[in-house]
Amino acid sequence: EAQVTQNPRYLITVTGKKLTVTCSQNMNHEYMSWYRQDPGLGLRQIYYSMNVEVTDKGDVPEGYKVSRKEKRNFPLILESPSPNQTSLYFCASSREGQPGSQETQYFGPGTRLLVL
Amino acid sequence: SQKIEQNSEALNIQEGKTATLTCNYTNYSPAYLQWYRQDPGRGPVFLLLIRENEKEKRKERLKVTFDTTLKQSLFHITASQPADSATYLCALNTNAGKSTFGDGTTLTVKP
Repeated sequence: EAQVTQNPRYLITVTGKKLTVTCSQNMNHEYMSWYRQDPGLGLRQIYYSMNVEVTDKGDVPEGYKVSRKEKRNFPLILESPSPNQTSLYFCASSREGQPGSQETQYFGPGTRLLVL
Repeated sequence: SQKIEQNSEALNIQEGKTATLTCNYTNYSPAYLQWYRQDPGRGPVFLLLIRENEKEKRKERLKVTFDTTLKQSLFHITASQPADSATYLCALNTNAGKSTFGDGTTLTVKP
């Protein structure tokens, strides 16, 4: 089944404790992206990747890191989480990463993060 | 700064009527625009994509228009059903991979 998977789905952590949220897609998609969703603020793009080894900042990259060492995986790293990073996080992928041809994004099920 | 506004946070309509959702934007030149549906606790699901050089797209009961002069997209659901109740998001995209989403409009279709 074609899908985007995220792990963990739920996470409670404490301020300053490094964590990684994994994202994997099995559709051989070029493009991957991370978003956070907060009430009243909608979905905001954190980072995106047009292809392996290529990543760019979205609208809210502060406090996050990403890497794209292989096509199927795009982990989101919080080096020192803070309470304002408490949110619902979504990973997404789409078929092509070349400019002008990006199409629909397939979203993962979401990761709910609580930073105490 | 870039801004996307979707009409009213909530829209209530009667079953069988046409729902019309609005997406307005400023300070943005999108290459294309997408509409998604999101159910509570789940990720958005793609519905329709329309490019900057297209005026209208249709898919079954769904229709989207895109007016780059007015900087507005309209999303229509005809013959609405209670199962259409959800939050609908518009997203503007550049050719360089950047995506910007609106806050969404929550549609409730009453039987």
